[in-house]
Amino acid sequence: DQQVKQNSPSLSVQEGRISILNCDYTNSMFDYFLWYKKYPAEGPTFLISISSIKDKNEDGRFTVFLNKSAKHLSLHIVPSQPGDSAVYFCAASAISNDMRFGAGTRLTVKP
Amino acid sequence: NAGVTQTPKFRVLKTGQSMTLLCAQDMNHEYMYWYRQDPGMGLRLIHYSVGEGTTAKGEVPDGYNVSRLKKQNFLLGLESAAPSQTSVYFCASSYTSGSSYEQYFGPGTRLTVT
Repeated sequence: DQQVKQNSPSLSVQEGRISILNCDYTNSMFDYFLWYKKYPAEGPTFLISISSIKDKNEDGRFTVFLNKSAKHLSLHIVPSQPGDSAVYFCAASAISNDMRFGAGTRLTVKP
Repeated sequence: NAGVTQTPKFRVLKTGQSMTLLCAQDMNHEYMYWYRQDPGMGLRLIHYSVGEGTTAKGEVPDGYNVSRLKKQNFLLGLESAAPSQTSVYFCASSYTSGSSYEQYFGPGTRLTVT
């Protein structure tokens, strides 16, 4: 069972505009959520995270929003840059060592 | 500071052959993990280790074994490879499993089993 879902396999946006990547989860025990970014032929790299006790976390151009009642989180990138083109994975954990990942969304930012 | 390294980067095996993937980290992290990534599936945890000499099963452990004899190394073994094990394998490490939960990933090993 896929407990973390990213329903959009791909997203294309214009440079300078906002990118919104979405993630849904089913396990109400998840208490920590992360976004990872992955370039081709490289491993994922940590981008931003949020604890379940918060509903928003911001780091520069990146903001993650958490809606616990809807079991939904989103990553906003403003403004989007061509270097942001990558695959973005949403991840969630309930106990310390059991992290579940979504299937990823490929973001393309066009100049 | 190399971070997390994986050996080899690519490998082709025939069904039934065995191999070991090596992961090394130089960040003095306690926790290490092995994941596999398949198209449309995201990353799935195979096995993990919370410290030297300890290992535990993850979400998809069947067909794999692991060992953590040294803190900096985490080995993933395939005793009898099957085509279903064709995948990209990522190793990761983290300092702790608490609220600061960032995992650092290696570049991956692409394994093809024919």
